[in-house]
Amino acid sequence: KAGVTQTPRYLIKTRGQQVTLSCSPISGHRSVSWYQQTPGQGLQFLFEYFSETQRNKGNFPGRFSGRQFSNSRSEMNVSTLELGDSALYLCASSYLNSPLHFGNGTRLTVT
Amino acid sequence: AQTVTQSQPEMSVQEAETVTLSCTYDTSENNYYLFWYKQPPSRQMILVIRQEAYKQQNATENRFSVNFQKAAKSFSLKISDSQLGDTAMYFCAFMKPREPNRDDKIIFGKGTRLHILP
Repeated sequence: KAGVTQTPRYLIKTRGQQVTLSCSPISGHRSVSWYQQTPGQGLQFLFEYFSETQRNKGNFPGRFSGRQFSNSRSEMNVSTLELGDSALYLCASSYLNSPLHFGNGTRLTVT
Repeated sequence: AQTVTQSQPEMSVQEAETVTLSCTYDTSENNYYLFWYKQPPSRQMILVIRQEAYKQQNATENRFSVNFQKAAKSFSLKISDSQLGDTAMYFCAFMKPREPNRDDKIIFGKGTRLHILP
């Protein structure tokens, strides 16, 4: 069974631009969660989607948004990028009370 | 709100030694799940071990075992016969059973960076 796939692996953007990250969960997993990982803050929860609905949300500004499609694939969007948005963005999928299965992440650099 | 604390930001041990990583958590829940994840330099987070709070027996996966003390809210990870490939960031995580319409997101500690020295 294929794992969680995140694209792209690396992104370089300029302040003020917007970016869209993609995540394809493991087949059969309907829950997709997004995390931001930085050296200083560790793993910060962004949001979780289940059956196309946002189920939980972390404490991030409205510039961070996401959505989930009917095939459970998810996208995360960050608008008006700031330098502080530079981070590793991790996506994870799960099924019911199973552990999270993570993708390889997207490394976003904002210059 | 639930919190997860990993008090050791960084540790180093010699290859083949045994090392224990600490994790404490705070919750008023009686039933929940605890996890240890490993993130090697390749950056993919990998599940190491899982413990269900209602099970008194400590979980074990090959060289990895936990010491789960529910009353003390402690969940430490022991790595026996450590190997160079165990070098990674280790995260402790807490999860309530998933239920509709409740805040049950998985909470992670800040991590412990473990170096296995040759």
